[in-house]
Amino acid sequence: AQSVTQPDIHITVSEGASLELRCNYSYGATPYLFWYVQSPGQGLQLLLKYFSGDTLVQGIKGFEAEFKRSQSSFNLRKPSVHWSDAAEYFCAVGALRPGGSYIPTFGRGTSLIVHP
Amino acid sequence: DGGITQSPKYLFRKEGQNVTLSCEQNLNHDAMYWYRQDPGQGLRLIYYSQIVNDFQKGDIAEGYSVSREKKESFPLTVTSAQKNPTAFYLCASSISRGTDTQYFGPGTRLTVL
Repeated sequence: AQSVTQPDIHITVSEGASLELRCNYSYGATPYLFWYVQSPGQGLQLLLKYFSGDTLVQGIKGFEAEFKRSQSSFNLRKPSVHWSDAAEYFCAVGALRPGGSYIPTFGRGTSLIVHP
Repeated sequence: DGGITQSPKYLFRKEGQNVTLSCEQNLNHDAMYWYRQDPGQGLRLIYYSQIVNDFQKGDIAEGYSVSREKKESFPLTVTSAQKNPTAFYLCASSISRGTDTQYFGPGTRLTVL
């Protein structure tokens, strides 16, 4: 069965510092990978996704992620964090479900705290 | 504006009562989904529907029921059989099955007293 591990429950960074959020997945076939962001009490917004091709994926809000098949990882990065980036971040792997849908299975999330 | 609406934002019910959460989308998406979110648990899939009049169980369907009579609507009923119904419920939709991006509603926080 598919699964996603986000080893860091909380990450604290200073505004302007670089950021890397870790994500490891387990899936027997070619993975479809996603990063979502959630502000408190809100729904989720897609930051970026990887289906195939270039393993370095660019997303919205200055985020990027790199797919490393050998490490089963899909880490999210941002070179300079802004206070508005404080939120919950979810990594997900799209797994094939009955009926032919690839539906994301989510990790438990990493809470990003940004210090001024 | 196109999007997904969930109502109400906060919902309180007494233990033993069934409650229905609303999810409506005007994005003309074929597929819709319900997730449950608990603190520290991430999102877990309850039910999904790829087309009108069809739906499948997700990973935690016990104690829940759904219907998909219209393309734009996918209501979720939390029944009295759900042992721990207090949670944040998120509805999502996507253009079709496959690897399409999911778009999420703002969520409904259900508290059972």
